[in-house]
Amino acid sequence: GAGVSQSPRYKVAKRGQDVALRCDPISGHVSLFWYQQALGQGPEFLTYFQNEAQLDKSGLPSDRFFAERPEGSVSTLKIQRTQQEDSAVYLCASSQVGTGFFEDGYTFGSGTRLTVV
Amino acid sequence: AQSVTQLGSHVSVSEGALVLLRCNYSSSVPPYLFWYVQYPNQGLQLLLKYTSAATLVKGINGFEAEFKKSETSFHLTKPSAHMSDAAEYFCAVSPPNTGNQFYFGTGTSLTVIP
Repeated sequence: GAGVSQSPRYKVAKRGQDVALRCDPISGHVSLFWYQQALGQGPEFLTYFQNEAQLDKSGLPSDRFFAERPEGSVSTLKIQRTQQEDSAVYLCASSQVGTGFFEDGYTFGSGTRLTVV
Repeated sequence: AQSVTQLGSHVSVSEGALVLLRCNYSSSVPPYLFWYVQYPNQGLQLLLKYTSAATLVKGINGFEAEFKKSETSFHLTKPSAHMSDAAEYFCAVSPPNTGNQFYFGTGTSLTVIP
């Protein structure tokens, strides 16, 4: 597609519920990133994929967070047993570059705003 | 460790006035630097980037930024603010050859007063 698409745009979950957030990167983009943006904060790195391989998951805050990209295109971020502190905007970004430094930056999606009540 | 400091979480300027948004970074090696803009309910859009070429970088929408190694700064400027510039601005750094993630500042909200 023309841009990075994320769905749903908004999600309200009850505490303890599992959620799945979807990201459709730009077609042909090798690299995919997930970021978490809490209210009033800058985005913070969660995890990074190159094709289907998850090369860095150092930013995932707990083992309740899980991300996958099984065919190297669409990615899903899953949060199990959601907690109130998980409320944030989850941003997905993709880049054409496969390795090395992303000097062209990323293309971001519009994000999914998750509210845990 | 990488960090980015954006001085001033909120900046207000009059339409037509100079815009100055400050960004300082901490890094043992000069990183690559970016400015992103975020409009309400939208993702981040790349404004401009510094990748060790010219220290004065021109971006979209009339914005520019100057990399000053001695000051570890990468401030964003625009000579004349427009109402459409009202948005959240984020400075980000990415250390060369040390990883794939960006480190973002906490953002500066720009208000343009008519």
